[in-house]
Amino acid sequence: AQSVAQPEDQVNVAEGNPLTVKCTYSVSGNPYLFWYVQYPNRGLQFLLKYITGDNLVKGSYGFEAEFNKSQTSFHLKKPSALVSDSALYFCAVRDPGSNYQLIWGAGTKLIIKP
Amino acid sequence: ETGVTQSPTHLIKTRGQQVTLRCSSQSGHNTVSWYQQALGQGPQFIFQYYREEENGRGNFPPRFSGLQFPNYSSELNVNALELDDSALYLCASSKDRITDTQYFGPGTRLTVL
Repeated sequence: AQSVAQPEDQVNVAEGNPLTVKCTYSVSGNPYLFWYVQYPNRGLQFLLKYITGDNLVKGSYGFEAEFNKSQTSFHLKKPSALVSDSALYFCAVRDPGSNYQLIWGAGTKLIIKP
Repeated sequence: ETGVTQSPTHLIKTRGQQVTLRCSSQSGHNTVSWYQQALGQGPQFIFQYYREEENGRGNFPPRFSGLQFPNYSSELNVNALELDDSALYLCASSKDRITDTQYFGPGTRLTVL
C-alpha cells in the first residue's frame, strides 16, 4: 500500500547544530515528494519539492532535502538550526497510482533549544 | 502569504447540522484540494477538483461533497455532522494536479458539539 513514514514523532536539536527530519515512502512509479511546515494554529507552508533532476533539493529558510531512490527516503536537513525552526514538519508524496493525490506522513515535531 | 483564503476561520455546529466551508484559490490556479486535519495528525485527503470536476476522492463518506466554480473558488459541504468531524479543514490550490506545488490556506477550525 502507498504510504509515507516519518519515524520520529519528535526531534530535539540545540540551536546552531545541524538537524535532520526523516521521511521514507512507498509508492508505485516515480514519486513526487514534498516537505511542508506547520506553525501552531496555522495552515501548511511549502518548503521544497523533488520532481526530477538533482537529488539534492534546496528550499525555503535554508532547508534542503536529499532524494535517495534506493532507500526510498527524502530526509529534510538544515546545517544550522534556529529556535524559530521549531514547528511541525510534514513529508508528502504524490502517488501516481492514486490519481496523484498527496499522501501525508504523520508529522514530526521539531524542537530547537537555545 | 499564499494567496489562498478560507472562510470562516472558526465555526461551531451541533451534531446533525450541515456546514459549508469556502476557499478562494491563488490566481492562475485551476486545481483545488480539500483536507481534514484532526488534532495531532497529518492531513487526510478529502477530494480534489480540477476545472470544476471532481478529480479524485479520499476515504470520506458521501456526506462530504464539494463544488468548484468557474473562477476556481471552491466549497466543501458536510451534511449530518458528527462529533468526529471536528477538525481543521484545509484548502490548497495548485496550477495542475500532478507536479505543481499545493499552496494552502490558513484553514477553518470546525467544532461539532
